[in-house]
Amino acid sequence: GAGVSQTPSNKVTEKGKYVELRCDPISGHTALYWYRQSLGQGPEFLIYFQGTGAADDSGLPNDRFFAVRPEGSVSTLKIQRTERGDSAVYLCASSPIAGSYNEQFFGPGTRLTVL
Amino acid sequence: EDKVVQSPLSLVVHEGDTVTLNCSYEVTNFRSLLWYKQEKKAPTFLFMLTSSGIEKKSGRLSSILDKKELFSILNITATQTGDSAVYLCAVGLNGNQFYFGTGTSLTVIP
Repeated sequence: GAGVSQTPSNKVTEKGKYVELRCDPISGHTALYWYRQSLGQGPEFLIYFQGTGAADDSGLPNDRFFAVRPEGSVSTLKIQRTERGDSAVYLCASSPIAGSYNEQFFGPGTRLTVL
Repeated sequence: EDKVVQSPLSLVVHEGDTVTLNCSYEVTNFRSLLWYKQEKKAPTFLFMLTSSGIEKKSGRLSSILDKKELFSILNITATQTGDSAVYLCAVGLNGNQFYFGTGTSLTVIP
């Protein structure tokens, strides 16, 4: 596709369950970022990949959160033992290469609701 | 602690008005400042600023950065209802991270 896509668009789960959120970046983009956006807040950095490796995962809130990008394209954000506080919109963005001088292209996000 | 503060938090104007949105920052290792428009979920890119005093312009939107006073403004002239959105400011840091402000919610009424 032409842009960044994310699936599912909405996910409702129960507290304690495991969820996976998927991001398909723009073809050829080597940098991929995950953000979390709570209501009324700006996106909060979680992790970014340059290629297959997580270059910076300092924004992951705790060890229940994990992300992979095994082939350097699609990425999956995994949340174990979900809590109500995990409810938010999870945004993915890609960029041709990582760097603070490069525009990021955002996907439409996945709205996660933990009941 | 890195900080990006946007003001006002929300703004309601009439079509045709001119608005100025503010973004101030206190960060270590500043590299760039970006403006995004967020209507539904996906923020869309507006401007990237790296040098002080050089205005970036796109149609009715313009932006400028002051690296001495550590702020940027986004101007929208002759506002239209389609400009209604949340406007996000993000600062690019050394290490390739981006730190976002909480946004300004703009509502343009006919």
